[in-house]
Amino acid sequence: EPEVTQTPSHQVTQMGQEVILRCVPISNHLYFYWYRQILGQKVEFLVSFYNNEISEKSEIFDDQFSVERPDGSNFTLKIRSTKLEDSAMYFCASNTNRDSTGELFFGEGSRLTVL
Amino acid sequence: AQSVTQLDSHVSVSEGTPVLLRCNYSSSYSPSLFWYVQHPNKGLQLLLKYTSAATLVKGINGFEAEFKKSETSFHLTKPSAHMSDAAEYFCVVSDHVFNKFYFGSGTKLNVKP
Repeated sequence: EPEVTQTPSHQVTQMGQEVILRCVPISNHLYFYWYRQILGQKVEFLVSFYNNEISEKSEIFDDQFSVERPDGSNFTLKIRSTKLEDSAMYFCASNTNRDSTGELFFGEGSRLTVL
Repeated sequence: AQSVTQLDSHVSVSEGTPVLLRCNYSSSYSPSLFWYVQHPNKGLQLLLKYTSAATLVKGINGFEAEFKKSETSFHLTKPSAHMSDAAEYFCVVSDHVFNKFYFGSGTKLNVKP
């Protein structure tokens, strides 16, 4: 069964360093998302991406964050200068269609620890 | 605007007893509603979804949910809890206009032997 894959599963970094989290969405999906979940807290929307551009972003997704789809398969989230409060599990998700009756398919997550 | 409220942050049941996880939503449009489960250190797995067809939706692992428009609810139930059901459950509503998904705060289900 097709699945969303994420790498790395866990990354530890020093505050101020740049981090890139990678995702390979399901191949025929058109919409891509990043969510994050700080330990013990709710799942928060970061950004959605369609047709090679951001379609929506939350207030969390400030100038430190960026996304891109550098080739036909990868979808990346970059944090330019990590802060302690960026420590969280980051989930990539994808789905197929504009009308949102289709569910989101999630990856297993990338746990980011900022020291 | 869309929002989701999960009324219980923690639910504890004994193995073999029924499970009820409550979810209320608000939506300006006809919503699609989903329940996801997250086992410890795992990703989010779809349990079931409602997309304007039958109001009683059956999902995986014996779970089901009933869409009640008059009560704006989408509660998740299971007749008999199993130890493997211990996990966190998220109710999600989707926004057809912006293709956005709104998560509830989650309910942690504990199953006692």
